[in-house]
Amino acid sequence: QQQVKQSPQSLIVQKGGISIINCAYENTAFDYFPWYQQFPGKGPALLIAIRPDVSEKKEGRFTISFNKSAKQFSLHIMDSQPGDSATYFCAASVGANAGNMLTFGGGTRLMVKP
Amino acid sequence: DADVTQTPRNRITKTGKRIMLECSQTKGHDRMYWYRQDPGLGLQLIYYSFDVKDINKGEISDGYSVSRQAQAKFSLSLESAIPNQTALYFCATSDEGTTDTQYFGPGTRLTVL
Repeated sequence: QQQVKQSPQSLIVQKGGISIINCAYENTAFDYFPWYQQFPGKGPALLIAIRPDVSEKKEGRFTISFNKSAKQFSLHIMDSQPGDSATYFCAASVGANAGNMLTFGGGTRLMVKP
Repeated sequence: DADVTQTPRNRITKTGKRIMLECSQTKGHDRMYWYRQDPGLGLQLIYYSFDVKDINKGEISDGYSVSRQAQAKFSLSLESAIPNQTALYFCATSDEGTTDTQYFGPGTRLTVL
């Protein structure tokens, strides 16, 4: 049973468009919500992360929106580029440091068409 | 040079064989993890280790064992491989208390025939 549910499984966006990936969680004890980006043949790498004391975090073209009451968070990629084509994983954990285990969503394969 | 390395990168083996996947890191991190990646299931934690003497089971440890030979080395073994262990395996590291980031290796693609 996945504690973090991610949708959609795959997404195709035109260059310059907005990519939106959603995640929902059940465990209200989760207090750290990272997104990881994985290119083919590579391991995942941290893209951006948020804690529930804020509702939004922006880093360049990437924004996390967080809705604590709905137990949902999402990744928005503005002005999507072909180089953003990758698999994206949301995750969640309990506790203040990475020693507390990450629970991952199922992943979203994003393709940005030129 | 990569901070987290995994060997082999690809491996094909037969049912019933014992196989070991190795992970080494030069990041100086105490914490190391083994994950399995299957399409649509994300990454599932197999085992984790907070230091050389501390090893813990993750959510899918059945059929796997690990060894933490040193701070920098963490190996995953499949005692008797079966076809449903065909997957992509990742090692990761993290630094206690400083950041929440886990750093992943490039992965090992394992096929069990």
